[in-house]
Amino acid sequence: GENVEQHPSTLSVQEGDSAVIKCTYSDSASNYFPWYKQELGKRPQLIIDIRSNVGEKKDQRIAVTLNKTAKHFSLHITETQPEDSAVYFCAASQAAGNKLTFGGGTRVLVKP
Amino acid sequence: GAVVSQHPSWVICKSGTSVKIECRSLDFQATTMFWYRQFPKQSLMLMATSNEGSKATYEQGVEKDKFLINHASLTLSTLTVTSAHPEDSSFYICSAVRSLGRNEQFFGPGTRLTVL
Repeated sequence: GENVEQHPSTLSVQEGDSAVIKCTYSDSASNYFPWYKQELGKRPQLIIDIRSNVGEKKDQRIAVTLNKTAKHFSLHITETQPEDSAVYFCAASQAAGNKLTFGGGTRVLVKP
Repeated sequence: GAVVSQHPSWVICKSGTSVKIECRSLDFQATTMFWYRQFPKQSLMLMATSNEGSKATYEQGVEKDKFLINHASLTLSTLTVTSAHPEDSSFYICSAVRSLGRNEQFFGPGTRLTVL
């Protein structure tokens, strides 16, 4: 089955700096890679996703890159704000709507 | 649109009792729903895939006789934790896949189960 590794497990950044989270996956059949933000006790919220036919996708301060050959993908958050503090999860699946395999999560703290 | 609800939002029960958790897609039909479990400070782990009108598919290591799943309609899936024990205490989250459109997966708000 699929295995998703996520690093780092914790990340502390100064407000305004960038944050980068990296994930690797094992199953070459995976084609859909979403990123979720989860606040304590709440549901995961989809913040951005990328499909295997695209190498990079950007949405305002958030960008995701995908290297299918190397089986890794990354989340980039620029100009971080205190409200970006949360746990972020990467995930992989064969297609949108299929079961998701999640990475271990990254606890991001943005210090004002 | 695309709202998924769960009921109850939290439940406390005694060891040995059974607990039923409902997952509803409020404004769309969902042929497929997923059940995840999340222990404190850990990631979401898929427990099973629930398909309307058929038996659920369980992930390796998840006891199908302990975690009963019923997906009787296109808007409702239930997870029953039978003979719950303290180690079953966790955050249970469902997700529903909209049958029409981009196949996007929408998560419920989760149910916090505490077994005493």
